[in-house]
Amino acid sequence: DAKTTQPPSMDCAEGRAANLPCNHSTISGNEYVYWYRQIHSQGPQYIIHGLKNNETNEMASLIITEDRKSSTLILPHATLRDTAVYYCIVRAYQTGANNLFFGTGTRLTVIP
Amino acid sequence: SQTIHQWPATLVQPVGSPLSLECTVEGTSNPNLYWYRQAAGRGLQLLFYSVGIGQISSEVPQNLSASRPQDRQFILSSKKLLLSDSGFYLCACRLGGGGTDTQYFGPGTRLTVL
Repeated sequence: DAKTTQPPSMDCAEGRAANLPCNHSTISGNEYVYWYRQIHSQGPQYIIHGLKNNETNEMASLIITEDRKSSTLILPHATLRDTAVYYCIVRAYQTGANNLFFGTGTRLTVIP
Repeated sequence: SQTIHQWPATLVQPVGSPLSLECTVEGTSNPNLYWYRQAAGRGLQLLFYSVGIGQISSEVPQNLSASRPQDRQFILSSKKLLLSDSGFYLCACRLGGGGTDTQYFGPGTRLTVL
């Protein structure tokens, strides 16, 4: 799986957009970008994933650069409940394990 | 949609005691199931995964074991707990198809071994 690099922490004012970057310069053509988050003392929560095109769902938007070497997760209107550790994961579909490697992620703190 | 249940939510056990953590899944059939452990302030470590009843693969050698007696039931066990077994244990279910996979996690069990 391609390695990802994320800033260790970020702050965002409540109500503003939170933009979380992720670098994955060694990504392969068949690898997807996944984003999860983990609120303190809870299990990780799936947010969104994409391959090439930008994606949007009810939780967030995912912007993937044209060369696919980096991506940005956007929370359009951050709330205090969005305070969590956000993980960017890059992997290809595989049968069997499909285990996800969660690194240290970005700790997002939404400030009132 | 799928729901993952784990119990107990928290557990405090003495060193050398046995362990049994249970995970059940609703809303899907024949899922891939996973046990992860997360030490304090660390990322997730995959312990076991299962692609079907009775099929268990271990990722990390240790004193833990896993079983899948039913399609939507996954159990993590130990005969004798070690201090190093303390952590946050997460069960996950993979939903895939179309060349992608997404994992959904249960609420976790926080285990403290004293």
